[in-house]
Amino acid sequence: GQQVMQIPQYQHVQEGEDFTTYCNSSTTLSNIQWYKQRPGGHPVFLIQLVKSGEVKKQKRLTFQFGEAKKNSSLHITATQTTDVGTYFCAGRTNAGKSTFGDGTTLTVKP
Amino acid sequence: GAGVSQSPRYKVTKRGQDVALRCDPISGHVSLYWYRQALGQGPEFLTYFNYEAQQDKSGLPNDRFSAERPEGSISTLTIQRTEQRDSAMYRCASSPAGRSYNEQFFGPGTRLTVL
Repeated sequence: GQQVMQIPQYQHVQEGEDFTTYCNSSTTLSNIQWYKQRPGGHPVFLIQLVKSGEVKKQKRLTFQFGEAKKNSSLHITATQTTDVGTYFCAGRTNAGKSTFGDGTTLTVKP
Repeated sequence: GAGVSQSPRYKVTKRGQDVALRCDPISGHVSLYWYRQALGQGPEFLTYFNYEAQQDKSGLPNDRFSAERPEGSISTLTIQRTEQRDSAMYRCASSPAGRSYNEQFFGPGTRLTVL
């Protein structure tokens, strides 16, 4: 079945440093979504990427979808303590089912 | 309500008992998803509905697990003869349309503990 892998599992950064998490799918995706889960909270939608090679920005966050639609990345510039949490990618096939990665947990040292 | 609600928020049960977990999606949302999330892992797909029709139940671990959404709104996930390995956070999410291009709104989850 479809597998979605994320690396790294954990990332510790100093406030102000950049952060990147990578997501790789074993199969071609129709779209990919990114979610953020704060400690003790539930996943909250950040963005959806649909097109091959698509790049979207939200303030300090940059999301990319690979040309082959099998990988994606999330990059945060100049991290802040409010960025703390676990970032999940969720890959969807045409069947409509989402497969989540196991997330990258970001901690930010002030 | 304003968001997805789930009840109970916490459920402690003894091995062998049946449990029913409820999800109340955002009003008007067509799609409803059930996930199971273990500590330190991402949500694991269980099943999903469009309206009242169960579209995919391939993620249900075994026949002790079942789900229904009889009127296309509230959904119930039932686990029969619970086992300790069923202990996890069970999350429900809803989405506004039946297509695959919409964000999922997650509820707070039900923490199930099987003793």
